[in-house]
Amino acid sequence: DAGITQSPRYKITETGRQVTLMCHQTWSHSYMFWYRQDLGHGLRLIYYSAAADITDKGEVPDGYVVSRSKTENFPLTLESATRSQTSVYFCASSLRRGVEAFFGQGTRLTVV
Amino acid sequence: TQLLEQSPQFLSIQEGENLTVYCNSSSVFSSLQWYRQEPGEGPVLLVTVVTGGEVKKLKRLTFQFGDARKDSSLHITAAQPGDTGLYLCAGPLGSNYKLTFGKGTLLTVNP
Repeated sequence: DAGITQSPRYKITETGRQVTLMCHQTWSHSYMFWYRQDLGHGLRLIYYSAAADITDKGEVPDGYVVSRSKTENFPLTLESATRSQTSVYFCASSLRRGVEAFFGQGTRLTVV
Repeated sequence: TQLLEQSPQFLSIQEGENLTVYCNSSSVFSSLQWYRQEPGEGPVLLVTVVTGGEVKKLKRLTFQFGDARKDSSLHITAAQPGDTGLYLCAGPLGSNYKLTFGKGTLLTVNP
């Protein structure tokens, strides 16, 4: 089914472990984004990408790594998970600047 | 510092009432978007406003972009329980298009 999909939907990991959240879109959108959503903070931008092989930091990039070797995939890696990274993570894509961003259903990550 | 300030943060009203929520910034935006998010789902776009002073209507929802393109409002007429959700405003920040969100207004419409 076409769209933007995130996996896994739920993940529990231990402090210090590396974990990768996957994001795949089938529209060939140029822009892709990773956000985390926490109570009291709203949606905060972690990283974004304007095209394959072009990525840039958002508001809260520390502790996260992204790559975009293919237009359709934008994985987010937590190199050494911490409890403060417990959150709901959303991936989004947009055809071009200033137009609608389409969101995945989110990944609920718990770091214990 | 929150670039997009939304108010109120929480709003609980009865079915049939009217309401307005606000999105304010000290920065000028080339456009602003409004999204609605329901529990367990990602945000979904309601509207994009791009011209200062622009007013857009979506059934019972009216969106306005401020003349200076620093603020926007969302007015809902005769709210219904189905309007319940988190309303988020967002705008592209900088030349690299960092899509930035406000913290949102959590609206509850009681039957």
